[in-house]
Amino acid sequence: NAGVTQTPKFQVLKTGQSMTLQCAQDMNHEYMSWYRQDPGMGLRLIHYSVGAGITDQGEVPNGYNVSRSTTEDFPLRLLSAAPSQTSVYFCASSKGGGFNTEAFFGQGTRLTVV
Amino acid sequence: AQSVTQLDSQVPVFEEAPVELRCNYSSSVSVYLFWYVQYPNQGLQLLLKYLSGSTLVKGINGFEAEFNKSQTSFHLRKPSVHISDTAEYFCAVTRVGDDKIIFGKGTRLHILP
Repeated sequence: NAGVTQTPKFQVLKTGQSMTLQCAQDMNHEYMSWYRQDPGMGLRLIHYSVGAGITDQGEVPNGYNVSRSTTEDFPLRLLSAAPSQTSVYFCASSKGGGFNTEAFFGQGTRLTVV
Repeated sequence: AQSVTQLDSQVPVFEEAPVELRCNYSSSVSVYLFWYVQYPNQGLQLLLKYLSGSTLVKGINGFEAEFNKSQTSFHLRKPSVHISDTAEYFCAVTRVGDDKIIFGKGTRLHILP
């Protein structure tokens, strides 16, 4: 199984550009989420989804959009990139339903906004 | 809302010595507790979790953690560390019945030769 796949692994953007970070999972997980990791800040939840067609905001949603049209995919969109969005982004998935099973993480996308 | 505090941002320890990484949580409702590990340039993977039952939980790679409800703590321990344990360790919490995981800021474990 591929697990959780994130693309791209690295990206450099100019301020004001837009882009989409891709996330796909092949475990039929209902719950998916996006985090950003910054030095000394741990992982902060950006957006999450409890199933296809359902998304909600996490701790730091500003500047990011998400959609969940299928169970497998959960892309994260940056509409107008800012230097403050330079970070490492992780997508995660889990079974959902409040069963609190293990969350599986992708390898991360390292984004630099100049 | 629940929160997690990892009391040490970095912990240096000599190889083959014991280590304890501290974690305290705050919540007005029942929670589940987790420890995740992140090796350099990788994603996170689950070390262990406490859902219910025995307060001493054993995980992978010889790690264990003890849930202490009265002290709202979930400290991670290993009796003898190896160079391969060099990583960042994250304590995390979820509300019972929820799926959102809230992470602490992480503790970097440095193994000294």
